[in-house]
Amino acid sequence: AQTVTQSQPEMSVQEAETVTLSCTYDTSESDYYLFWYKQPPSRQMILVIRQEAYKQQNATENRFSVNFQKAAKSFSLKISDSQLGDAAMYFCAYRSATGNEKLTFGTGTRLTIIP
Amino acid sequence: KAGVTQTPRYLIKTRGQQVTLSCSPISGHRSVSWYQQTPGQGLQFLFEYFSETQRNKGNFPGRFSGRQFSNSRSEMNVSTLELGDSALYLCASSLVAGNQPQHFGDGTRLSIL
Repeated sequence: AQTVTQSQPEMSVQEAETVTLSCTYDTSESDYYLFWYKQPPSRQMILVIRQEAYKQQNATENRFSVNFQKAAKSFSLKISDSQLGDAAMYFCAYRSATGNEKLTFGTGTRLTIIP
Repeated sequence: KAGVTQTPRYLIKTRGQQVTLSCSPISGHRSVSWYQQTPGQGLQFLFEYFSETQRNKGNFPGRFSGRQFSNSRSEMNVSTLELGDSALYLCASSLVAGNQPQHFGDGTRLSIL
């Protein structure tokens, strides 16, 4: 079974600064997808960024980028130029590429933005 | 395009009752998954339905069941409610195509008294 670990329960960052959230995972599969979701107090889970395991290039979406290290099974999220609206719970998630949609989530990191 | 719609948003039940939660996926999405979110256990996968068939199931007791209709709408049922069933229940839908992500609804907050 796959597991996802987020070792930072809480993080804080000054507005406009950069912060990195950590995520490691364990799997015996070679093909899979990784995601970061954010969950603000409004509670809807919003996709931040995705990464295909077969791609060596790290995904980037505007101010959000990942550092994907397949051999180390690490998938960190970097948020640049942090904004107040980035405050939320951030969840790292794993999905097998073998034909079902099950997401395995980490325990989350609560990100606070300091004005 | 409308997002994933879950109803109701809030629900209060008592122990022993049963409850049905509803999820309407994004138009064109044929896969619907359900998750339970609690402070203690985090986000846990309940089950996934695709084309009216349960394709995958998490480690939950048989009191938790679901179904999917021909229009891809899904319902989740919990019978003989227990205090520990208090949680946010999230539904997600997806296209089931390569790296396409799941899109989540706002969830149903279920409280058991």
